[in-house]
Amino acid sequence: DQQVKQNSPSLSVQEGRISILNCDYTNSMFDYFLWYKKYPAEGPTFLISISSIKDKNEDGRFTVFLNKSAKHLSLHIVPSQPGDSAVYFCAANRATGNQFYFGTGTSLTVIP
Amino acid sequence: ETGVTQSPTHLIKTRGQQVTLRCSSQSGHNTVSWYQQALGQGPQFIFQYYREEENGRGNFPPRFSGLQFPNYSSELNVNALELDDSALYLCASSRITGEKLFFGSGTQLSVL
Repeated sequence: DQQVKQNSPSLSVQEGRISILNCDYTNSMFDYFLWYKKYPAEGPTFLISISSIKDKNEDGRFTVFLNKSAKHLSLHIVPSQPGDSAVYFCAANRATGNQFYFGTGTSLTVIP
Repeated sequence: ETGVTQSPTHLIKTRGQQVTLRCSSQSGHNTVSWYQQALGQGPQFIFQYYREEENGRGNFPPRFSGLQFPNYSSELNVNALELDDSALYLCASSRITGEKLFFGSGTQLSVL
C-alpha cells in the first residue's frame, strides 16, 4: 500500500534550468510533507517541508508547492546546479502519527 | 551538535543468523526511529522508540526488535535473517514524534 508515490524514477536537467520533482499521495489525513535529498553512501538529508495549511514554502533555490485537492506536491529547484544531483524523496505524515511514509525517490542529474 | 551516527557501516551475514545494529541519536533528540530501505525503494518504517518504550511499529515481523537506552541511543536486532532482509537500515532521530527526522548514514546489511 504505497501511500506516497513518485512516478518519475529519474530526471535530467541542464545546469541553470529549473528542476521540477513531483510527488502524489493518497491519504487525505497527511498534514506534514517533506523533501529529503540523498547522496550515495549517505543518509537522507532534510531539504524543505510544508504544512497542509500552506500551499507554498520557499527556502533559497528550493520551493515546495502543495495542492491538497489534487493530493500532489512538487519541489522546484531554480537554478539547478551540478551539486543538486542526488536522489530526492518526498515524505508525509500525520501530526498525530509516528511514522513517515516515503516515496520511492527520483534520481536528479544536473548536467553541466 | 553531534549528528546521528550508526555502526557498523557494512555487514555481511548468512541466512538464519542474528544481527544487531547500533545508533546514537542527535543530541537533544529523545525519539529514535528505524527504517529499512531496500534497493530501488524508499525508506520503510520499522518502529519508533520514545523514552525507552516502543512507540509505534510498521509492517515488520516480531523478529525485528529494538531497544532504546537512557542516553537515547538505540539498537535494532533482527533474528533468523532472511535473504530479503538485505537492505540499508537507517536510524533517524527527532526532538519529538512527528517532527522532521535527522538520519544517520545507515548500515548496509547483506544476507547471503
